[in-house]
Amino acid sequence: DADVTQTPRNRITKTGKRIMLECSQTKGHDRMYWYRQDPGLGLRLIYYSFDVKDINKGEISDGYSVSRQAQAKFSLSLESAIPNQTALYFCATSDRSRDLSGYTFGSGTRLTVV
Amino acid sequence: ELKVEQNPLFLSMQEGKNYTIYCNYSTTSDRLYWYRQDPGKSLESLFVLLSNGAVKQEGRLMASLDTKARLSTLHITAAVHDLSATYFCAVEGRSQGGSEKLVFGKGMKLTVNP
Repeated sequence: DADVTQTPRNRITKTGKRIMLECSQTKGHDRMYWYRQDPGLGLRLIYYSFDVKDINKGEISDGYSVSRQAQAKFSLSLESAIPNQTALYFCATSDRSRDLSGYTFGSGTRLTVV
Repeated sequence: ELKVEQNPLFLSMQEGKNYTIYCNYSTTSDRLYWYRQDPGKSLESLFVLLSNGAVKQEGRLMASLDTKARLSTLHITAAVHDLSATYFCAVEGRSQGGSEKLVFGKGMKLTVNP
């Protein structure tokens, strides 16, 4: 099983719909992140969480919300999806030391908003 | 605000040739990561560079970090077709609240031609 699992892998949704992307991890890391990737723009940070009670906005949080249900689970919601949220979304984890393993990324969720 | 710039963004090279790509960043950091991404896939960790002067090698790739110059290089030796991918550098910086976060460059798409 993958260390960081994202569901769904692919999703097509309509404008205005609410959608949730889920991330779970078995690495025991305390820190979790959501990034989006757009062609030519690299990965940009949406939200991050250093523990269950700690949620922080990243550089592009508008239109998104998150929930850290447990140490191992971090969900990203699009409250009312719009076409420019079409992107590849990655969940990542890290631990406090980050010395050896750095950051671990999930396989990604490809979201298309039509 | 931490900014990460990669140079070049696109590179087409012949098999057997050598080349160096660059990653510059704008604020102090002593943690830098290199990732590889194949089309439609997740990010694969290549190198974790944790201190000034760090040099790591894996196969035909060698990465180095100069924290004083805020520069990392990724050197490709005797390129082969299998190295074709997009390469990202990412730098760990601190948010306004003091917590660490990973900021990515836009990525460099490498094509190695026979």
